[in-house]
Amino acid sequence: AQRVTQPEKLLSVFKGAPVELKCNYSYSGSPELFWYVQYSRQRLQLLLRHISRESIKGFTADLNKGETSFHLKKPFAQEEDSAMYYCALSPFGNEKLTFGTGTRLTIIP
Amino acid sequence: DTEVTQTPKHLVMGMTNKKSLKCEQHMGHRAMYWYKQKAKKPPELMFVYSYEKLSINESVPSRFSPECPNSSLLNLHLHALQPEDSALYLCASSLGHGTGELFFGEGSRLTVL
Repeated sequence: AQRVTQPEKLLSVFKGAPVELKCNYSYSGSPELFWYVQYSRQRLQLLLRHISRESIKGFTADLNKGETSFHLKKPFAQEEDSAMYYCALSPFGNEKLTFGTGTRLTIIP
Repeated sequence: DTEVTQTPKHLVMGMTNKKSLKCEQHMGHRAMYWYKQKAKKPPELMFVYSYEKLSINESVPSRFSPECPNSSLLNLHLHALQPEDSALYLCASSLGHGTGELFFGEGSRLTVL
């Protein structure tokens, strides 16, 4: 069974401060890890995926297989980063995408 | 067209009604999904169609019946629902082959009276 855990339901960070949203997973095979984001009044959309190893909107995430983690980080938070963030996992080559419980990030001006 | 379109946006139905939710995409994607999302909860996978065949059914009650008439369309037929089925139903699509990059619609908000 695949499982994704996001320990923080709510996270508030001051503008300009670093941001880290935590994600831990359990899956016995090879996982693909993703971060999805939902801004206010917008649809759920992909932010980044671990195999791309890109930085999107200043966010990065590194897959740590030893710690089974995929934390999302940004060095300097911006007000437009306020949103709901979901970590998600699918088995490699499989369409079954499972979401974590989500973290609502609020950036304080 | 790079969007997933869902209709209707809102639906209110009684427990004896039969209704359908519709989803459409014209991005050439070959996998389509139904998710259910209750308030303040993450989306929960219900069904996946891959190349127009049902590939994943997450033990969803038979009062929900998916249908994929062609590669661009996905329906969710609803019959004899319960009030606890009230939720936001999200449709999504992806290229297929397990890419995991899903494109979501805005959802259909269902209320069962």
